[in-house]
Amino acid sequence: QQPVQSPQAVILREGEDAVINCSSSKALYSVHWYRQKHGEAPVFLMILLKGGEQKGHEKISASFNEKKQQSSLYLTASQLSYSGTYFCGTDLNYGGSQGNLIFGKGTKLSVKP
Amino acid sequence: KAGVTQTPRYLIKTRGQQVTLSCSPISGHRSVSWYQQTPGQGLQFLFEYFSETQRNKGNFPGRFSGRQFSNSRSEMNVSTLELGDSALYLCASSFQGAPYEQYFGPGTRLTVT
Repeated sequence: QQPVQSPQAVILREGEDAVINCSSSKALYSVHWYRQKHGEAPVFLMILLKGGEQKGHEKISASFNEKKQQSSLYLTASQLSYSGTYFCGTDLNYGGSQGNLIFGKGTKLSVKP
Repeated sequence: KAGVTQTPRYLIKTRGQQVTLSCSPISGHRSVSWYQQTPGQGLQFLFEYFSETQRNKGNFPGRFSGRQFSNSRSEMNVSTLELGDSALYLCASSFQGAPYEQYFGPGTRLTVT
């Protein structure tokens, strides 16, 4: 039931692009993306909902393929501040707010100067 | 708006003891979720409360329990602590739970010796 994230880790130079994938074996109602820096709490980045609605930060882009039960997070023109561990959280519940997210193990992103 | 607050931030306990952690959600949020984060297992869902009712529970033993008060503040309790309970415990508040975004508190770092 836990979503699978890939890659597990990626190293970039400033200005390079990266894609982080999140795949579930179960049908999804929504996918949530968070970034956690070392020693800090996870910070909300984006939600993608079944049906195409998205909510999140303008500088972050992501996709949600409902049929394939996959989501991808696109990081373009990376900056040093993008470094951290990215988590996707999947919501299997339908019909609205039933509360909990199941998180993947995370993708560690390191951006070098 | 003030963010999610958790107290205490750090705790050291001995095996067999019990511990209570507290979480104050963002004003207006009625859903509080608790997660355990460890290097090996990542972010694991413990339980979620909405309007004082537990709506969801993760796969943790009965030693882990929680409650939510009428002002939406939540507490989690771990009884008979084991070494393996050492972890960062995060709470997240949300307007109504998934699919709404969750905002995490800074966490309580629990060390069991």
